[in-house]
Amino acid sequence: AQSVTQLDSQVPVFEEAPVELRCNYSSSVSVYLFWYVQYPNQGLQLLLKYLSGSTLVESINGFEAEFNKSQTSFHLRKPSVHISDTAEYFCAVRLAGATNKLIFGTGTLLAVQP
Amino acid sequence: NAGVMQNPRHLVRRRGQEARLRCSPMKGHSHVYWYRQLPEEGLKFMVYLQKENIIDESGMPKERFSAEFPKEGPSILRIQQVVRGDSAAYFCASSPSGQGNSGYTFGSGTRLTVV
Repeated sequence: AQSVTQLDSQVPVFEEAPVELRCNYSSSVSVYLFWYVQYPNQGLQLLLKYLSGSTLVESINGFEAEFNKSQTSFHLRKPSVHISDTAEYFCAVRLAGATNKLIFGTGTLLAVQP
Repeated sequence: NAGVMQNPRHLVRRRGQEARLRCSPMKGHSHVYWYRQLPEEGLKFMVYLQKENIIDESGMPKERFSAEFPKEGPSILRIQQVVRGDSAAYFCASSPSGQGNSGYTFGSGTRLTVV
């Protein structure tokens, strides 16, 4: 069965510091990978996705994630965080060619402190 | 072009009552997904529907829960005889097709509280 693991439930970091949110998945077939962000009391917003091609994908607000097939990872990084980045971040996978069901990790709370 | 609309935003029900959650997908989207988020947990898939069809209901509890997406009108997630353990945020998402390469568009959720 496919699964997504986000080992860190919470990551505290100071403003302007770099951050990495870890995501590992298990699957025997090809997958599509996604990062979603959830601000308090809101729905999830797509942050970035990996479908194929370049293994490094970027979002418009400075986040990037790199697909590493050998390590089955899709870690999310940002070189310098802002207070406004405080939110819950969810990694998700979907099996290529399968039904359109996303499997989510348990989420990582990014807490940016001044 | 409105996004995915869910209502109500907050719903309070007494134990034993019925809860009806509504989801209107984005314009042009014919695929709807329901997820449940329990406190301090990730999102758990419940059901995937296309107009008038249930495609995948592998995440739906066997009893008391049902979902529909009629030809006309919103998708409805129905919970009969609610219990306290049903208290959660329920999110709906939609996509234009079953391919899913672009990911979903999520609504803001319905927060159900069972008292």
